[in-house]
Amino acid sequence: DAEITQSPRHKITETGRQVTLACHQTWNHNNMFWYRQDLGHGLRLIHYSYGVQDTNKGEVSDGYSVSRSNTEDLPLTLESAASSQTSVYFCASSETLQETQYFGPGTRLLVL
Amino acid sequence: AQKVTQAQTEISVVEKEDVTLDCVYETRDTTYYLFWYKQPPSGELVFLIRRNSFDEQNEISGRYSWNFQKSTSSFNFTITASQVVDSAVYFCALTDTGRRALTFGSGTRLQVQP
Repeated sequence: DAEITQSPRHKITETGRQVTLACHQTWNHNNMFWYRQDLGHGLRLIHYSYGVQDTNKGEVSDGYSVSRSNTEDLPLTLESAASSQTSVYFCASSETLQETQYFGPGTRLLVL
Repeated sequence: AQKVTQAQTEISVVEKEDVTLDCVYETRDTTYYLFWYKQPPSGELVFLIRRNSFDEQNEISGRYSWNFQKSTSSFNFTITASQVVDSAVYFCALTDTGRRALTFGSGTRLQVQP
């Protein structure tokens, strides 16, 4: 069955370290998204991609980067982790605008 | 800019009660899509429904029903005869024809007591 996976599911890191969160989908969807979930804020958009070699910034993109070298993967990199980036991160994908976004299981990141 | 407001932060009901979760949205687009997602205690996000802006027909799926009213920019969700398994955080979300990303409300936590 097609699916979307995230790894690791849990991560503890130290301030200043570079961290990469993986997102992999097997639906062959063009659109992929990264969101972070914080209490009281719902989910907020970090970065998104409409296809290979395409990336765009969302509302909370500072300190994060993404790259899209193939259809299946959109890794999220925290260049220099900060305590404010402690959060739950969700990856999602959709085939087109009209289609629903389906979410991965989430990655819980703690920055000490 | 788009905005989704879920004014109810937390709702507590007793099993078998009906409960309505409110969602009010703002957008300048004439074409847009509205969604509800459920986040149970296990943490995953489960898709419940998608509605486009041209379809104001209400929808019923088992104990779940949705009332979409463009005149009041609302897309409310009702659970009939609530059950303990309905306990979760529910998110309303909006996307537009431009960016194709979701704008989420802050969520409503529903506690169904046995």
